[in-house]
Amino acid sequence: DAGVTQSPTHLIKTRGQQVTLRCSPKSGHDTVSWYQQALGQGPQFIFQYYEEEERQRGNFPDRFSGHQFPNYSSELNVNALLLGDSALYLCASSLQGRSYGYTFGSGTRLTVV
Amino acid sequence: RKEVEQDPGPFNVPEGATVAFNCTYSNSASQSFFWYRQDCRKEPKLLMSVYSSGNEDGRFTAQLNRASQYISLLIRDSKLSDSATYLCVVNTNAGKSTFGDGTTLTVKP
Repeated sequence: DAGVTQSPTHLIKTRGQQVTLRCSPKSGHDTVSWYQQALGQGPQFIFQYYEEEERQRGNFPDRFSGHQFPNYSSELNVNALLLGDSALYLCASSLQGRSYGYTFGSGTRLTVV
Repeated sequence: RKEVEQDPGPFNVPEGATVAFNCTYSNSASQSFFWYRQDCRKEPKLLMSVYSSGNEDGRFTAQLNRASQYISLLIRDSKLSDSATYLCVVNTNAGKSTFGDGTTLTVKP
């Protein structure tokens, strides 16, 4: 039973560029949430996708956008990268309506230079 | 004020010690509660859910006080392998999970 897979694992981008991160949820899960984790902090909620729609959004600017596909996989896009966007980006999958916690992927470590 | 607050620590304890972590949350509409464990440079992993009646899983005991909006995690007989950051997580009814910044535990021989 495959867990949550994220790609790429590491990425280096230049300020102003755009980036796309990908996530495949755990088998049987239909909801994908994205988190940003800066060093020394807890994961910060970016947004959640269910049924191919953004259902909830945290306090992140419109530069952060996403998509969910019919197979439940998801993408996170960040435009006009800033140095402060450097962080670990975590994808978490769950089953809608069930409150038993998330399964996280191992994350994508993004460095903006 | 953050929605979920934890004492960042670090907690440095000897093997065999009992250690307790506390967490407070501000949203009284919160519905479900969890503790996650995160090892250095790894993803968070679910440790246990937290129920109003309190629940235990081996050496770990979690408790919830809804009136005080307070969650705790007790680790008994600490092992070296318990060294990690422990994240308190609070879910709203809409399913959004809010994480605390974590409490770092180091268990020493």
